[in-house]
Amino acid sequence: GQNIDQPTEMTATEGAIVQINCTYQTSGFNGLFWYQQHAGEAPTFLSYNVLDGLEEKGRFSSFLSRSKGYSYLLLKELQMKDSASYLCAVRGAAGNKLTFGGGTRVLVKP
Amino acid sequence: EPEVTQTPSHQVTQMGQEVILRCVPISNHLYFYWYRQILGQKVEFLVSFYNNEISEKSEIFDDQFSVERPDGSNFTLKIRSTKLEDSAMYFCASIGGSTEAFFGQGTRLTVV
Repeated sequence: GQNIDQPTEMTATEGAIVQINCTYQTSGFNGLFWYQQHAGEAPTFLSYNVLDGLEEKGRFSSFLSRSKGYSYLLLKELQMKDSASYLCAVRGAAGNKLTFGGGTRVLVKP
Repeated sequence: EPEVTQTPSHQVTQMGQEVILRCVPISNHLYFYWYRQILGQKVEFLVSFYNNEISEKSEIFDDQFSVERPDGSNFTLKIRSTKLEDSAMYFCASIGGSTEAFFGQGTRLTVV
């Protein structure tokens, strides 16, 4: 089975940095995804990690440690529009389905 | 950028009625999925479809659910006899190579 944990909610100030952690225990591993989801909308793909290390994409970076079952999403230079839920999802070894964590709601304050 | 398209965007149906949710995945993708998200809850896997057959399904995907790819492009989810607890956002997703996993905009299903 799959177990994916992330904090429920985080608050940060506009212009600051926020790090959202995700830990997972899975029966197989074939990549970890981060998605952004605004209320009432679909998840939007942000990043994908399958090897250990940091992937940087503009203001967003994602890190993976497979040995620790750990990832984080780093959001820099926060903007008000970054207020959203951030979903961590793991693809297991079989079938390629994604299993999602509960999501972290990030509130950016002025 | 290619996208996954879902119709309708909203559907209201009476309890016990059948609904069909439609999706057009990205054309060169191989794996197709249905997920649902009850308001305020996590995104839950329903079913995956590969090579024109179900490759995996969750406990949620019971006998009232079925999927089809009738014409090589559309990918449908049918709920035969809807229940109040089926009210949710239903998302279709498709996966191509290792790094692409895109979701459609979703269908908001309301069962009354």
